[in-house]
Amino acid sequence: ETGVTQSPTHLIKTRGQQVTLRCSSQSGHNTVSWYQQALGQGPQFIFQYYREEENGRGNFPPRFSGLQFPNYSSELNVNALELDDSALYLCASREGTGGLEGKTQYFGPGTRLLVL
Amino acid sequence: AQSVTQLGSHVSVSEGALVLLRCNYSSSVPPYLFWYVQYPNQGLQLLLKYTSAATLVKGINGFEAEFKKSETSFHLTKPSAHMSDAAEYFCAVSGNTGFQKLVFGTGTRLLVSP
Repeated sequence: ETGVTQSPTHLIKTRGQQVTLRCSSQSGHNTVSWYQQALGQGPQFIFQYYREEENGRGNFPPRFSGLQFPNYSSELNVNALELDDSALYLCASREGTGGLEGKTQYFGPGTRLLVL
Repeated sequence: AQSVTQLGSHVSVSEGALVLLRCNYSSSVPPYLFWYVQYPNQGLQLLLKYTSAATLVKGINGFEAEFKKSETSFHLTKPSAHMSDAAEYFCAVSGNTGFQKLVFGTGTRLLVSP
């Protein structure tokens, strides 16, 4: 039990639609990262938020966006869904914004998105 | 830039046998290295991490890994496999400076037979 929850667990959308995925972190975890894990692949970093501001981004287009709220919840929004967006989306949270050698990053169970 | 190669998408062992999961990394700066385990329908759980202290790192559930700079490797081992070790294992790397993000390998599925 990591204390990180995600909703929904599964979701089916059609190409061109928009989707919002949600993550709830432990109290005090003010850094949250989102990852995309395609079938048979390792997770890929999408972006990171610290105190409600994006402070790092991977190689994902602008139609992937996020929000972080003061109550330690966050959202991943994807516009204009494409078939290749089908994947498991993981959020991970930790305290502070220091390096990864410090506080452990805790992952949620993920949301499995299928785009038809 | 960082990258990770995990050799073997599947590894099969018998219960009680040695577990060896291979990970080689590439990094333009001194790396931090991580091993995560993923059970079905669960998120990733950190097994252990190397952050430039001791090169032999001990983790949870009896796992350990050794950082070998000359071989650019960070292989995961466990002396005696248990049925409950069956899962997907991911090696990941990050740089040790600037903005740090995890770069994962493609994973190795460990199968444990009785």
